[in-house]
Amino acid sequence: KAGVTQTPRYLIKTRGQQVTLSCSPISGHRSVSWYQQTPGQGLQFLFEYFSETQRNKGNFPGRFSGRQFSNSRSEMNVSTLELGDSALYLCASSLGSSRTGNTIYFGEGSWLTVV
Amino acid sequence: TQLLEQSPQFLSIQEGENLTVYCNSSSVFSSLQWYRQEPGEGPVLLVTVVTGGEVKKLKRLTFQFGDARKDSSLHITAAQPGDTGLYLCAGEETGGSYIPTFGRGTSLIVHP
Repeated sequence: KAGVTQTPRYLIKTRGQQVTLSCSPISGHRSVSWYQQTPGQGLQFLFEYFSETQRNKGNFPGRFSGRQFSNSRSEMNVSTLELGDSALYLCASSLGSSRTGNTIYFGEGSWLTVV
Repeated sequence: TQLLEQSPQFLSIQEGENLTVYCNSSSVFSSLQWYRQEPGEGPVLLVTVVTGGEVKKLKRLTFQFGDARKDSSLHITAAQPGDTGLYLCAGEETGGSYIPTFGRGTSLIVHP
């Protein structure tokens, strides 16, 4: 059974640009959540999608957005990139939503560097 | 202020030594998870503890959830180089919005 797949693995963007990251969950999983990991702040929750609906949202500015498609694949977008957005972006999937206490499985992440 | 405080932040030990990592909070958690993250990879779930006072063992790893469900510890016996990684605790506050909170992690290096 394939794990959570994230693309691209590495990317470099310039300040002011926008970026889209993609996540394919484990087959059959309907919940996808996104996290930002930095050395200074650790792992922080961005948002969760379940059946194409955003269920939870972390404390991030509106420049961070996401969506989920009918096949459960998800994308997150960051607009007007800032240097501080440089981070490892992790996607995680689970069978049900976080409200039901399902185990989440993380992908390997997308490393974003903003220069 | 970090909701979950982990200590120590860094740990460098020799193979065969024992160690304990702590995860503390002033909040009560409905459940708490421990993850290990290796360089270049995403976190992998090790265990979930739910009941206050619960102790779970996973080979050489022993996890304990505090009686009041505010803290947890991870004890590794006879550490091996393969245990090297970032250990993260995470939990959801009781009565909260189901948004998981992660500690900043304990970076463990086990030297052969």
